[in-house]
Amino acid sequence: GQQVMQIPQYQHVQEGEDFTTYCNSSTTLSNIQWYKQRPGGHPVFLIQLVKSGEVKKQKRLTFQFGEAKKNSSLHITATQTTDVGTYFCAGRNAGNMLTFGGGTRLMVKP
Amino acid sequence: ETGVTQTPRHLVMGMTNKKSLKCEQHLGHNAMYWYKQSAKKPLELMFVYSLEERVENNSVPSRFSPECPNSSHLFLHLHTLQPEDSALYLCASSQDRTGGADTQYFGPGTRLTVL
Repeated sequence: GQQVMQIPQYQHVQEGEDFTTYCNSSTTLSNIQWYKQRPGGHPVFLIQLVKSGEVKKQKRLTFQFGEAKKNSSLHITATQTTDVGTYFCAGRNAGNMLTFGGGTRLMVKP
Repeated sequence: ETGVTQTPRHLVMGMTNKKSLKCEQHLGHNAMYWYKQSAKKPLELMFVYSLEERVENNSVPSRFSPECPNSSHLFLHLHTLQPEDSALYLCASSQDRTGGADTQYFGPGTRLTVL
């Protein structure tokens, strides 16, 4: 079945440093979504990417969908303590199955 | 906050108990989901309902029994659970199950502990 892998599993950064998490699918995706889960909270939708090579920005967050539509990345510029949490990608394949990656837990030292 | 509510927020039960988790969405969505979140598998899809019809069941043990009486309500009935079933159970809804309308709106979750 479809597998969606995320790396790294954990990342510690100093406040102000950049952070990137990568998402890789075993199958071609029709779209990919990103979610953020704060500690003790629930996942909250951030963005959806649909087109090959698409790049979207939300303030300090940059999301990219690969040309082959099998991978994606989330980059945070100049992290802040409010960025702490676990970031999940979720890919939907042609069979309409939505699969979540294992998440990347981001910790930011002030 | 997100329009999806879950009760109870915390539940402790013995292995012989029967309990139910409740989810309600106030967003007018057509699809509802149950997820299990644990340290071993961060977000594991359990069941999907679309217009009250179950469309996906990801090989979940029969001790978990979902019920969707209408498009706004979803239940998860629990019986004879095992300690390894302890986890955060998240309910979610989406406008539809397919296409670009499948953004997941999650509820706050029920933290379940099985003794």
